[in-house]
Amino acid sequence: SQTIHQWPATLVQPVGSPLSLECTVEGTSNPNLYWYRQAAGRGLQLLFYSVGIGQISSEVPQNLSASRPQDRQFILSSKKLLLSDSGFYLCAWSVYRRTGELFFGEGSRLTVL
Amino acid sequence: EDQVTQSPEALRLQEGESSSLNCSYTVSGLRGLFWYRQDPGKGPEFLFTLYSAGEEKEKERLKATLTKKESFLHITAPKPEDSATYLCAVQASRGASKIIFGSGTRLSIRP
Repeated sequence: SQTIHQWPATLVQPVGSPLSLECTVEGTSNPNLYWYRQAAGRGLQLLFYSVGIGQISSEVPQNLSASRPQDRQFILSSKKLLLSDSGFYLCAWSVYRRTGELFFGEGSRLTVL
Repeated sequence: EDQVTQSPEALRLQEGESSSLNCSYTVSGLRGLFWYRQDPGKGPEFLFTLYSAGEEKEKERLKATLTKKESFLHITAPKPEDSATYLCAVQASRGASKIIFGSGTRLSIRP
C-alpha cells in the first residue's frame, strides 16, 4: 500500500533562517506531488506541484522554492524565512490518471518568530 | 482565474439535524470537483469525486451533488463524529495537474 511521510512535524524558526521540509512517498511510481500551505482557520493555498523529476510549477511568487530530486521525494525550501511564512504545510500525492484524488501527509507546523 | 467559494464558513447543528454545505466554482472547463474532510491538526482525507452536472455520490450520511455552477454536500442525520472541516476543490481541464481548494466549512455537531 502507498504511504506518505512528511517531516519535521513541528518547527520553530527565527526570521531570516533557512527552511527545509521533506516529503517522501512509498508504494507508487511517478506520482504527482504537491505542496500546500494552510493558515490558521483557512483553506489550502497551492504553493508548488510537480508531475515528474525536476519539473516544478510554482503558483505563488514568494521566497519559497521546491525541488524534486528523486521520483518520490519532494522538498520545500527557503533561504530566509519571513514572519508570513508561518503556517501548516501539507505535502500530497496523486496517481497520474486520477490526479484530483490527493493523499495528504500529516503536515508540518511552522512558526516563524 | 479559477476560483472556489464555500459557504457557510461555519455551521453548528444539533445531532440528527440535516443540512447542506455549498461550494460555488468558476473554472475554465471543469475536469473534476472533489470533497475532502479535514480533522484538526491533520491532513485532508478524500471523500468524493464528481465529474459532470447531475452526478451524485454517497457515503454513509454524506451525499455530494453537482450542477454547472456549484456543488452541495448534504449531511443527513449527522452525528458528533461528523464534526470536521469540509473542503471543496476543483480541477480544470487546462492545467489538469493543478488542484484549487476553497476555504472550507467548519461543521460542528452537538450531541
